[in-house]
Amino acid sequence: ETGVTQTPRHLVMGMTNKKSLKCEQHLGHNAMYWYKQSAKKPLELMFVYSLEERVENNSVPSRFSPECPNSSHLFLHLHTLQPEDSALYLCASSQGTGNQPQHFGDGTRLSIL
Amino acid sequence: AQTVTQSQPEMSVQEAETVTLSCTYDTSESDYYLFWYKQPPSRQMILVIRQEAYKQQNATENRFSVNFQKAAKSFSLKISDSQLGDAAMYFCAYRTSNFGNEKLTFGTGTRLTIIP
Repeated sequence: ETGVTQTPRHLVMGMTNKKSLKCEQHLGHNAMYWYKQSAKKPLELMFVYSLEERVENNSVPSRFSPECPNSSHLFLHLHTLQPEDSALYLCASSQGTGNQPQHFGDGTRLSIL
Repeated sequence: AQTVTQSQPEMSVQEAETVTLSCTYDTSESDYYLFWYKQPPSRQMILVIRQEAYKQQNATENRFSVNFQKAAKSFSLKISDSQLGDAAMYFCAYRTSNFGNEKLTFGTGTRLTIIP
């Protein structure tokens, strides 16, 4: 049981489509994250939400739009994506700071046609 | 800015043998946290082991242990009695101890293959 659930697992979309990735955590955590994982590159942190407020945005293009309606849910809205946006998008959650680890979901494999 | 380097893109080990994955990092901070995550083909990142920089004692979790050399900024992972289920990508990660900064900085990963 992962505790962090991401849907869909796979998504194929055209560059003009609009879609959303969903993440839900069942661990009672107060922070959630979006990461982008591309081949042969370190995981790239995209967004951090702590207590439902966005605390970090790592220069992510505006075609990615996060939303955190409550502490258990995190969305990543996608529109007008580019082929280089094809990647695995991982959601994670954690409780507080310090040595508390982040718990990850299984990711959404996104392919842009 | 902190950086994490994993210089071994791929490693392989015979089943039941021991393997060590290397990780170095760069930071100007004196207090921080280090993690090793495992990502099997199922894609979920799973925490393997963690280390607080202020602790001199190396962390251990069953067959997994670390060799933490703070002065050298080195954080290697040793897997003893390797099992087929250990095959995965392994990522080293760094996290500051600053309150409110939740960011994890990851290395590029090491793909570990277990040879039966």
